[in-house]
Amino acid sequence: SQQGEEDPQALSIQEGENATMNCSYKTSINNLQWYRQNSGRGLVHLILIRSNEREKHSGRLRVTLDTSKKSSSLLITASRAADTASYFCATVSSSGTYKYIFGTGTRLKVLA
Amino acid sequence: DTAVSQTPKYLVTQMGNDKSIKCEQNLGHDTMYWYKQDSKKFLKIMFSYNNKELIINETVPNRFSPKSPDKAHLNLHINSLELGDSAVYFCASSPPPAAGANVLTFGAGSRLTVL
Repeated sequence: SQQGEEDPQALSIQEGENATMNCSYKTSINNLQWYRQNSGRGLVHLILIRSNEREKHSGRLRVTLDTSKKSSSLLITASRAADTASYFCATVSSSGTYKYIFGTGTRLKVLA
Repeated sequence: DTAVSQTPKYLVTQMGNDKSIKCEQNLGHDTMYWYKQDSKKFLKIMFSYNNKELIINETVPNRFSPKSPDKAHLNLHINSLELGDSAVYFCASSPPPAAGANVLTFGAGSRLTVL
């Protein structure tokens, strides 16, 4: 299967703590993206990191990319109850295709 | 003003029936997709169209037939529904890869339940 793997599958933390989730993938990529899915809703794009970048920040989000290990991590700092959602990584192949391959997702629960 | 809209949001039907899900985007994107999300939340690409041309067909049974009448619309027709077709189907759109850092914009999903 081409599907990426994410870990942990589920994560439960207290409000104010940091949440880290990891993504591993299998192919050479052009970029890697993170999406959030609230329960019963569609996915929403959060952040994109290109293959020649190692780290990127957006507000409380920090993404790292290690292409030698084919892995990425998403850090959410100072988490809030509203961050409760599933988080997915998606890779875009370097072959220029239109295929976005999604990871298995991490279910994050932030307790107030 | 919804960017990617899907109808219906919920669909409950009997095995063997035929059903359609419609999708429309007002973002001016050239590329549209259908994804299937199963009960374990795995999200898998089914089809993609670029400017009305089929460019991705991911080993989906031929009971599934996408149709793109124009680049703003991508519909999904499913014949002879089976229990295993129960899932949430997401439509998405994006600019083409040549546009650079393209991201997907998703619809809210259509939950199909086959009894």
